[in-house]
Amino acid sequence: GESVGLHLPTLSVQEGDNSIINCAYSNSASDYFIWYKQESGKGPQFIIDIRSNMDKRQGQRVTVLLNKTVKHLSLQIAATQPGDSAVYFCAEIGAAGNKLTFGGGTRVLVKP
Amino acid sequence: ETGVTQSPTHLIKTRGQQVTLRCSSQSGHNTVSWYQQALGQGPQFIFQYYREEENGRGNFPPRFSGLQFPNYSSELNVNALELDDSALYLCASTQGANNEQFFGPGTRLTVL
Repeated sequence: GESVGLHLPTLSVQEGDNSIINCAYSNSASDYFIWYKQESGKGPQFIIDIRSNMDKRQGQRVTVLLNKTVKHLSLQIAATQPGDSAVYFCAEIGAAGNKLTFGGGTRVLVKP
Repeated sequence: ETGVTQSPTHLIKTRGQQVTLRCSSQSGHNTVSWYQQALGQGPQFIFQYYREEENGRGNFPPRFSGLQFPNYSSELNVNALELDDSALYLCASTQGANNEQFFGPGTRLTVL
């Protein structure tokens, strides 16, 4: 399928290194945040989420950090693998709980 | 796989035509949302349906309309197609509000 990341900022990372992807959000009322991974030709795939009453959450090889003071979200991927190459989006859900608002996305390219 | 399916996978239409896209939710999910993803951008919320009623709408004109059926499957209808409607259309299902949304693979619509 067509790439969804033709004009997105790109993070190139060496296989085995850690990756950090950053995201700024605008709605201070948002209370639920999600990171999605989107591979070419596919829909977004859930990676990890975090609620606004937390500032850190860990999954398998991934960690999400939330800084509500500066409205900043980051995704850390440990020991990046070739299969991690994709476009990554942060998304927030507002108080109404009915819609995801997506950030602009970052393309991650893993070099062997 | 998320259990969310969409049809068709690809579609080509001409300006002024009408199109219907279909989505089957993950089993047990009563809420479906539709998103439009233009090339190189994040998905944009079109609207959400909860138990067959519209439950929120994004900044899209009335020629974008939807339906949700008793089995919670859904349709997105777009009338009077314009060139800028060319995009990947994604549906996502969830159970209630403020919960993880599971995305389908999308329908790629091209308007000529």
